Amino acid sequence: TQLLEQSPQFLSIQEGENLTVYCNSSSVFSSLQWYRQEPGEGPVLLVTVVTGGEVKKLKRLTFQFGDARKDSSLHITAAQPGDTGLYLCAGASGGSNYKLTFGKGTLLTVNP
Amino acid sequence: EPEVTQTPSHQVTQMGQEVILRCVPISNHLYFYWYRQILGQKVEFLVSFYNNEISEKSEIFDDQFSVERPDGSNFTLKIRSTKLEDSAMYFCASGGRTRDNEQFFGPGTRLTVL
Repeated sequence: TQLLEQSPQFLSIQEGENLTVYCNSSSVFSSLQWYRQEPGEGPVLLVTVVTGGEVKKLKRLTFQFGDARKDSSLHITAAQPGDTGLYLCAGASGGSNYKLTFGKGTLLTVNP
Repeated sequence: EPEVTQTPSHQVTQMGQEVILRCVPISNHLYFYWYRQILGQKVEFLVSFYNNEISEKSEIFDDQFSVERPDGSNFTLKIRSTKLEDSAMYFCASGGRTRDNEQFFGPGTRLTVL
């Protein structure tokens, strides 16, 4: 069974601070996706990383895929209250079905 | 921008009743999925569907569950005889045939079994 561990589970910071969220597994994934989920809504795709060591930037968000494709991180620079939300990582398994294995998420609160 | 839609947004049913949850995936996508999320827990894979057949299902997806793509547009999840523990958010997702394996999720159906 593939598992994804996210840390920290909760994070409360002040506006303007930087933060990093981690997603770790003992399994190798063909790709890893980061989503953001608001209460009562579906996950919204932020980014997908595919190649080991890959780094992708989305404005103030930087996503990195580990060299061995087992872990990933999300770094937010100068966090803003609008960044508040639940961040989920999800690994896609190989084969033909690409099912996603989700972590439990990191609930981020950015205080003004 | 194309998006996955789901209906209804909220379904309340009595234990033992059948429910059908509906999804319209993104039109040029080939892979279709159902996931569920029990309140306060992580999103869990239920089933994947490709080329008009199930490609993989989880242990949760027992004989009470079935999926269908009846008309090339809709993708449905049927629960034949609902149990209290089926109460959850059910998400439909679709993906194209890309190396990135990206999946796009619908807004979900909140199923409440009384």
